[in-house]
Amino acid sequence: AQTVTQSQPEMSVQEAETVTLSCTYDTSESDYYLFWYKQPPSRQMILVIRQEAYKQQNATENRFSVNFQKAAKSFSLKISDSQLGDAAMYFCAYRRGSSNTGKLIFGQGTTLQVKP
Amino acid sequence: SQTIHQWPATLVQPVGSPLSLECTVEGTSNPNLYWYRQAAGRGLQLLFYSVGIGQISSEVPQNLSASRPQDRQFILSSKKLLLSDSGFYLCAWNLKGAGVSYEQYFGPGTRLTVT
Repeated sequence: AQTVTQSQPEMSVQEAETVTLSCTYDTSESDYYLFWYKQPPSRQMILVIRQEAYKQQNATENRFSVNFQKAAKSFSLKISDSQLGDAAMYFCAYRRGSSNTGKLIFGQGTTLQVKP
Repeated sequence: SQTIHQWPATLVQPVGSPLSLECTVEGTSNPNLYWYRQAAGRGLQLLFYSVGIGQISSEVPQNLSASRPQDRQFILSSKKLLLSDSGFYLCAWNLKGAGVSYEQYFGPGTRLTVT
């Protein structure tokens, strides 16, 4: 069975600095998708970024980028120029590519604190 | 564009009372639908998912049930609430088929407190 592990329960970063959140996953599949979601204090889950496993290029979305290491099964999220609004819980998620149920497997989450 | 609604936003119910949480999706058809529960400061637990009308899969045995009476409506129910049912309930949907982006889209959630 696939698993997703976020080994950092809490992280903190100074405003305007860069922080990296870690995520590792375990799968025997070759076709899959990875996601980072953000959950601010409002608790609304917001998609931050997605990565298709077949793509070698790391995904980027403005200040957010990933370091996707397929062989190492690692999928870290880098937040550059951190802002106060980035303070949230971040979840890494995995989806099997051939899944007809569309289920996601989530990590335990990392709470990010941004210090002014 | 697609939107997802959940209601009520907050609910306080006594132990032993029934529960009905509703989720509706607009702007799409034949989505996969999901119910999650989240304890404070914790991760998401998938409770139920549905790939079509009347098709419900349960992920964990519990005091809850789900139904999908219409294509874009997903209901979470309980006949008698337990204290352990307290939590934040999230509904989500995603598209089916090849060539689509596979992420799930989440509703605003319902905060349930069982007293």
